[in-house]
Amino acid sequence: KQEVTQIPAALSVPEGENLVLNCSFTDSAIYNLQWFRQDPGKGLTSLLLIQSSQREQTSGRLNASLDKSSGRSTLYIAASQPGDSATYLCAVSGTGNQFYFGTGTSLTVIP
Amino acid sequence: DTEVTQTPKHLVMGMTNKKSLKCEQHMGHRAMYWYKQKAKKPPELMFVYSYEKLSINESVPSRFSPECPNSSLLNLHLHALQPEDSALYLCASSQGERGTQYFGPGTRLLVL
Repeated sequence: KQEVTQIPAALSVPEGENLVLNCSFTDSAIYNLQWFRQDPGKGLTSLLLIQSSQREQTSGRLNASLDKSSGRSTLYIAASQPGDSATYLCAVSGTGNQFYFGTGTSLTVIP
Repeated sequence: DTEVTQTPKHLVMGMTNKKSLKCEQHMGHRAMYWYKQKAKKPPELMFVYSYEKLSINESVPSRFSPECPNSSLLNLHLHALQPEDSALYLCASSQGERGTQYFGPGTRLLVL
């Protein structure tokens, strides 16, 4: 079974700092990897989707990379803002509509 | 429109009650999902419907019964739940297994 791990579990940074969140997965046979953010008690908001054939995707201040062979993805957030404070989750999809979530990174950006 | 709606937002039920959760999307997606999320944990996949047919049932107890009446609608029928079933229930949809998953806001369920 696919295991997805995110490091660190929690991160606190001052406003304006650039930061990197990590996601690793055990089975490289994936269709895609998706990054989400979740605010407390709320649903998930999709941030970026990287297909297995792609190396990276960018949206505004966010850049996600994928190294499928090594089972790793990173989410880079530039010039962090207090509004970026949330839990960030990565998820990988495999055959048969299977979808596995990582353990999450709780981010706090301090004004 | 990339919206997935879920009703109700909150639900409190006793262990002998029968209730249903509803999820709706109008993006033409053919895959719909139910997830369960406990506090400070990632979502856990419960069921997947693909083209209105149940394709995945992740060993969920029979007190949870999913239903997909049409391509836009997904229900989760609840009966004789236990207090440990209290959680945030999330619905999602995608174009297919390679597409972006879009999530609804969830239903916060409390079983007394």
